[in-house]
Amino acid sequence: DQQVKQNSPSLSVQEGRISILNCDYTNSMFDYFLWYKKYPAEGPTFLISISSIKDKNEDGRFTVFLNKSAKHLSLHIVPSQPGDSAVYFCAGESSGDKLTFGTGTRLAVRP
Amino acid sequence: DTGVSQDPRHKITKRGQNVTFRCDPISEHNRLYWYRQTLGQGPEFLTYFQNEAQLEKSRLLSDRFSAERPKGSFSTLEIQRTEQGDSAMYLCASSRWTTVEETQYFGPGTRLLVL
Repeated sequence: DQQVKQNSPSLSVQEGRISILNCDYTNSMFDYFLWYKKYPAEGPTFLISISSIKDKNEDGRFTVFLNKSAKHLSLHIVPSQPGDSAVYFCAGESSGDKLTFGTGTRLAVRP
Repeated sequence: DTGVSQDPRHKITKRGQNVTFRCDPISEHNRLYWYRQTLGQGPEFLTYFQNEAQLEKSRLLSDRFSAERPKGSFSTLEIQRTEQGDSAMYLCASSRWTTVEETQYFGPGTRLLVL
C-alpha cells in the first residue's frame, strides 16, 4: 500500500524557470508533510515542511502548497538553479511519528 | 555544528556474516530513527527510539535485525547472517520530539553491499 505517491519519476526544467514537484497521499492521519532533497550517496536533506492546518508555506525560493481535500501537495522552486538538481522526496507524518516517503522525483535543471 | 553521523559509510560483506552500524544523533535529540532505502525507492521505516526505549519496529525488521540505544545517545543496528537482499542504504535520523510536527534530520547513511 503506497500511502505517499510521487507519480513523476523525473522532471527537467530550464534554469530560471519554475519547477513544480507533485505528491499525493492516501493516509488521512498525516498531519505534517515534509520535503527532502537527496544527492547521490548522501542522506536526505530537509528542505521545507507544512502543517496540515495550513495550505501554504514559503521559504525563500521554495514554496509548498497543501490541498487537503484533494490529498495533494506540491513543491514550487522559483527560480530553478542547476544546484537544485537532485532527487526530491515528499513524506507524511502522523502525530510526530515515523515518516512515510514517496518514491522520489529526479529534478534536472538545465543551464 | 555536528549533524547526524553514521559509521561506516560503506560496508561490503559476504553473505552469512554479521554487520553492525553506528549512528550518533544531533545532541539533545531525544528521538532516533532507522530507515532503509533501496534503489528507486524512498526511505522505509525500520525502527525508532525515544531516549533509550525502542517504541516501534516495522515488519521489515526481521529477527535477524536488532537495534539498541543503550544510553539514549548513539544507536547501533546489527544485522545477523546477512543476505543479499539486505543490500541497501541504511539511514539514521534524529529529532527533538515535543508533541507533534517534529522534523527529522538525516545522517549520510551507510551503504551495505552483501556479496
